[in-house]
Amino acid sequence: NAGVMQNPRHLVRRRGQEARLRCSPMKGHSHVYWYRQLPEEGLKFMVYLQKENIIDESGMPKERFSAEFPKEGPSILRIQQVVRGDSAAYFCASSPPTGPMAEAFFGQGTRLTVV
Amino acid sequence: AQSVAQPEDQVNVAEGNPLTVKCTYSVSGNPYLFWYVQYPNRGLQFLLKYITGDNLVKGSYGFEAEFNKSQTSFHLKKPSALVSDSALYFCAVRDDTGGFKTIFGAGTRLFVKA
Repeated sequence: NAGVMQNPRHLVRRRGQEARLRCSPMKGHSHVYWYRQLPEEGLKFMVYLQKENIIDESGMPKERFSAEFPKEGPSILRIQQVVRGDSAAYFCASSPPTGPMAEAFFGQGTRLTVV
Repeated sequence: AQSVAQPEDQVNVAEGNPLTVKCTYSVSGNPYLFWYVQYPNRGLQFLLKYITGDNLVKGSYGFEAEFNKSQTSFHLKKPSALVSDSALYFCAVRDDTGGFKTIFGAGTRLFVKA
């Protein structure tokens, strides 16, 4: 059973470009979470999704950021018109639908660098 | 609203000595508590969790954690530290009011000296 797969591992974008980060959850997991980690800082919750639904996006910036988890395919975190402050590690995690007591499993992260 | 506090940015301990990494939490309902470890340039690895029952929870790599409801704490412990335990440790919490949102603490960097 493969773990949570994120790609790309490293992404470089110029200011103003779009960044697309992909996350394939573990098999059987229907809950996906995205977190952002700035250098030497903790994990900041961004968004929690289930298939075709955004459940909680209270941590998402109001502009330029969006997330989806379609019926088929990976979850996508999309950042439009990137700025230098978007440079960070973005982690995806997934958990099974068995209840909130189930731990989440993390991917290796995508390190976004905006130049 | 949920919140987690890890009061120490860094913990230093000598190899072979016991270690403690502190965590306190705040939730609306009953807590589900987790500890994760992160090695450089890697994702987070699950160590252990508290759901209900025995207040002392045992996890991976010899780690354990003690849940204290009255102090709203969930401190991570290990009887004898290894140099290879040096990493960034995160405490996390959910509550039982139905949501799956997990809030993480700021992290505590553990240095174990040989």
